[in-house]
Amino acid sequence: AQSVSQHNHHVILSEAASLELGCNYSYGGTVNLFWYVQYPGQHLQLLLKYFSGDPLVKGIKGFEAEFIKSKFSFNLRKPSVQWSDTAEYFCAVRGSGGGADGLTFGKGTHLIIQP
Amino acid sequence: EAGVTQFPSHSVIEKGQTVTLRCDPISGHDNLYWYRRVMGKEIKFLLHFVKESKQDESGMPNNRFLAERTGGTYSTLKVQPAELEDSGVYFCASSQVWIQEQFFGPGTRLTVL
Repeated sequence: AQSVSQHNHHVILSEAASLELGCNYSYGGTVNLFWYVQYPGQHLQLLLKYFSGDPLVKGIKGFEAEFIKSKFSFNLRKPSVQWSDTAEYFCAVRGSGGGADGLTFGKGTHLIIQP
Repeated sequence: EAGVTQFPSHSVIEKGQTVTLRCDPISGHDNLYWYRRVMGKEIKFLLHFVKESKQDESGMPNNRFLAERTGGTYSTLKVQPAELEDSGVYFCASSQVWIQEQFFGPGTRLTVL
């Protein structure tokens, strides 16, 4: 069965600090990887995704993530965070060769940016 | 373009009662998914429709949950009878093609007392 582990449940940073949120997954085959974000009072929305190709993917709002196959990791990064990045971030995986049709999510990371 | 909508936004019911949640996907999206997040836990997949057909219902917790998608448009998720452990936020998502990005609705917060 697939599983996703997000290392930090709560992260507090000051504006302009660099961000890295860890995500490791467990799955025996080819995967599609996602980071979703939920801003306060808003829907879950896609930040970025990896299907194949360049393992460094860029998303919206200056976020990027790197897929490291040997480490089963897909960490999210942003060089300089803003107060508006305060949100809950979810890493998700889906097996592209079978298994359940839906996404498997991690437990989420609450990110708080202090002005 | 309208996004995924869900109704109601909140529902508070007593144990043993029935509740029906509704999801309207983005127009033209054949794929519709239901997920649930119990407090403190991860978002969990419940089931996947392609048009009106259930493609995968491996995540449905038990037979108290019934999902339908008549005509391949909106979907309903009925919980009957509701139990305390059914409390949580129920999300619906849709996508045009299975492999593509899923667009999520705002969720329905269900509280069973």
